[in-house]
Amino acid sequence: QVQLVQSGAEVKKPGASVKVSCKASGYTFTGYYMHWVRQAPGQGLEWMGWINPNSGGTNYAQKFQGRVTMTRDTSISTAYMELSRLRSDDTAVYYCAREEAIAAAVGLDWFDPWGQGTLVTVSS
Amino acid sequence: SSELTQDPAVSVALGQTVRITCQGDSLRSYYASWYQQKPGQAPVLVIYGKNNRPSGIPDRFSGSSSGNTASLTITGAQAEDEADYYCNSRDSSGNSWVFGGGTKLTVL
Repeated sequence: QVQLVQSGAEVKKPGASVKVSCKASGYTFTGYYMHWVRQAPGQGLEWMGWINPNSGGTNYAQKFQGRVTMTRDTSISTAYMELSRLRSDDTAVYYCAREEAIAAAVGLDWFDPWGQGTLVTVSS
Repeated sequence: SSELTQDPAVSVALGQTVRITCQGDSLRSYYASWYQQKPGQAPVLVIYGKNNRPSGIPDRFSGSSSGNTASLTITGAQAEDEADYYCNSRDSSGNSWVFGGGTKLTVL
């Protein structure tokens, strides 16, 4: 079955960087865009950006541009999200989510499945 | 506008019907998808496109859209439907995605 398995929880100090991995299985990794979404404690979902695993192309939310880098390793079907210059308000659960879409219908896309989430805690 | 607006909280009596709405200008051009999230769990897709349910989602969940508003309807709400629900769509530029603020559903 299609599955996304993320790396474990991280604790980082302010100013440091964190790199979260998302290993895909059960489908052709290069055939689907991968998105990253985060959720601060008690808050809603926030879209961060996507990576095209086939080309390596990326698109980041304006809020994170300059601080986020999304990469992939196709040999092990794994996507990565690195966030730098961490602040306390970056404390959140970070999710990867596969995008499914109907190519013939613009804007008909959705996220399924999601990874289990990775808690990143930023604290001095 | 890049925003999607949801009511923060909605309640429904067990077995009754509830509609959760999502408003935003981008919904005039792009489809919404809906996600259910229970405490401590990752979001789960419940509705996508005009009114499509993934395998395993009960048929009491349905979706609709009109103008700038997308709706998720639960017909005959069950106790296990108590959760947070988020809508998602592209923003008006079409190049980014945005989530609604979420609706906490309480089943009484």
